Amino acid sequence: GQNIDQPTEMTATEGAIVQINCTYQTSGFNGLFWYQQHAGEAPTFLSYNVLDGLEEKGRFSSFLSRSKGYSYLLLKELQMKDSASYLCAVTDSNYQLIWGAGTKLIIKP
Amino acid sequence: IAGITQAPTSQILAAGRRMTLRCTQDMRHNAMYWYRQDLGLGLRLIHYSNTAGTTGKGEVPDGYSVSRANTDDFPLTLASAVPSQTSVYFCASSAGTASGANVLTFGAGSRLTVL
Repeated sequence: GQNIDQPTEMTATEGAIVQINCTYQTSGFNGLFWYQQHAGEAPTFLSYNVLDGLEEKGRFSSFLSRSKGYSYLLLKELQMKDSASYLCAVTDSNYQLIWGAGTKLIIKP
Repeated sequence: IAGITQAPTSQILAAGRRMTLRCTQDMRHNAMYWYRQDLGLGLRLIHYSNTAGTTGKGEVPDGYSVSRANTDDFPLTLASAVPSQTSVYFCASSAGTASGANVLTFGAGSRLTVL
């Protein structure tokens, strides 16, 4: 079966750095997405990786290792507004999106 | 403002009743999707449409139907609601289909409670 694993919940301190991991086992691979979802709101796109390596976008970076079936989302200089759930999703060989259950990130002052 | 509009925002429904969740997009996106989101589970695809006039079944299609008469509208119908259909429903769209780089734009969601 297809599976995406990510931690259920993480806590970090304002101003710090946090890394949210995602491992996947899917039928083929055509890209990995990270979405952010604030409580009670819709998911919004953060990043897309299809090649190995690090993609940096401001305070957020996303890393991919296809051989290890592994990605992480790195958030720097954490702000209170970063408190949200972070969803990892993989596009499989049929271009279907497989979603993880999300990681709830709690930021403390 | 370009985006996706869903209605209703929230609804309480008696079991056995018929319900249609509405979804309209103004981005001229080809593909549209309906997901449900339940606590502790990832987003699960109910139905999708790659282009106007076509629809397909997702991971959890039973008890739901959709239609895509035009590019903009993609309603989801529960013919006879059951309590297990209590969930938050998200409509989404993307410009293309068969590409790993399809970014989804989501509506604000419809919270449905079936009693």
